[in-house]
Amino acid sequence: EPEVTQTPSHQVTQMGQEVILRCVPISNHLYFYWYRQILGQKVEFLVSFYNNEISEKSEIFDDQFSVERPDGSNFTLKIRSTKLEDSAMYFCASSLQGATNTGELFFGEGSRLTVL
Amino acid sequence: AQSVSQHNHHVILSEAASLELGCNYSYGGTVNLFWYVQYPGQHLQLLLKYFSGDPLVKGIKGFEAEFIKSKFSFNLRKPSVQWSDTAEYFCAVNNNAGNMLTFGGGTRLMVKP
Repeated sequence: EPEVTQTPSHQVTQMGQEVILRCVPISNHLYFYWYRQILGQKVEFLVSFYNNEISEKSEIFDDQFSVERPDGSNFTLKIRSTKLEDSAMYFCASSLQGATNTGELFFGEGSRLTVL
Repeated sequence: AQSVSQHNHHVILSEAASLELGCNYSYGGTVNLFWYVQYPGQHLQLLLKYFSGDPLVKGIKGFEAEFIKSKFSFNLRKPSVQWSDTAEYFCAVNNNAGNMLTFGGGTRLMVKP
């Protein structure tokens, strides 16, 4: 069964450092997403990406965040200068159709980011 | 802004007991509704979804959910749980204005053998 894969599974970084989280979505999917879950809190939407551009982003997704699909297979989330409050589990997801069109999101297992 | 509430944070049941997990959302327009499950150590996966039509939807593993528009609810049910249903369950809503899902806080279900 095709699946979304994420690397690394866990990353520890110092505050102020740049972090790149990588995702390989399911190959024929067209929509890509990042969500995050701070420990003990809700899963929160960060950004959606379609047709090589951001289609939606939340208030959380400020200038320190960026996404890229550099080579047609990977989908990356970059955090430029990490803060303590960026510590969370980051989930990548992909879908063949958008959520408004019966699209089922397929999630990866998550990348746990710990900022010290 | 839309929000999703799951009032039961932790539920403990014995095998064969019936399950109902509550989900309420706050959004007045047309919504698409989802239940996702996360088994220990695994990724979020879709249990079932409602977009239109019959408000009683059936999903995988014997789960079902009923959309009651007047109550802004989409409760998840299963008549007889198994130990393997131990997981965290998330309700999510999409408001048709974009592809964003708004998640509830999740309900951790533990089924005792």
